[in-house]
Amino acid sequence: AQKVTQAQTEISVVEKEDVTLDCVYETRDTTYYLFWYKQPPSGELVFLIRRNSFDEQNEISGRYSWNFQKSTSSFNFTITASQVVDSAVYFCALSVGPEYGNKLVFGAGTILRVKS
Amino acid sequence: NAGVTQTPKFQVLKTGQSMTLQCAQDMNHEYMSWYRQDPGMGLRLIHYSVGAGITDQGEVPNGYNVSRSTTEDFPLRLLSAAPSQTSVYFCASSYGPGQGADTQYFGPGTRLTVL
Repeated sequence: AQKVTQAQTEISVVEKEDVTLDCVYETRDTTYYLFWYKQPPSGELVFLIRRNSFDEQNEISGRYSWNFQKSTSSFNFTITASQVVDSAVYFCALSVGPEYGNKLVFGAGTILRVKS
Repeated sequence: NAGVTQTPKFQVLKTGQSMTLQCAQDMNHEYMSWYRQDPGMGLRLIHYSVGAGITDQGEVPNGYNVSRSTTEDFPLRLLSAAPSQTSVYFCASSYGPGQGADTQYFGPGTRLTVL
């Protein structure tokens, strides 16, 4: 069975601070996909990134970066120079792939509050 | 493209009533899913479909039915609503195997309250 743990329930930072959201996953499958989604106060789910288990390269997209480490089963998300618009709930999720229906297992989410 | 659409946005039901949450996508996605979101629990899979005429249960299927008669539509039926089904419901869709990205795209959600 798959499991995703986001141990940080809520994080509060002041604008321009860097913040890292932690994600730890469990799976016995050798092929899997990891995702981050953002849920702003308006409620929709916004896809941020997908990473497959064979690609451990870190990724940077503007102020966002992701650190994938198979050795510790972690896929952490860092926001550099946070902004008020980053305030949202962030979900980490795991899928073992389209052969199994693309089913997603989500973590409980981390509420990020960025204060001005 | 409208993407994934869901209706209604909000619904209030009384215990025991039945209703159908609608979901449609115009991206010719093979896979569609229903999730529910409850506070502190993230999203949990209710039912999913890997193509027209094929559905299967997810983690929390009890009290819900689905069918998939077309590629575009995947309605979720509540047979006899219970207060425990008060939640936000999200529909999602994605390509199937061998068709590229595995990413699921979500609809805007339906907020359901059962009194």
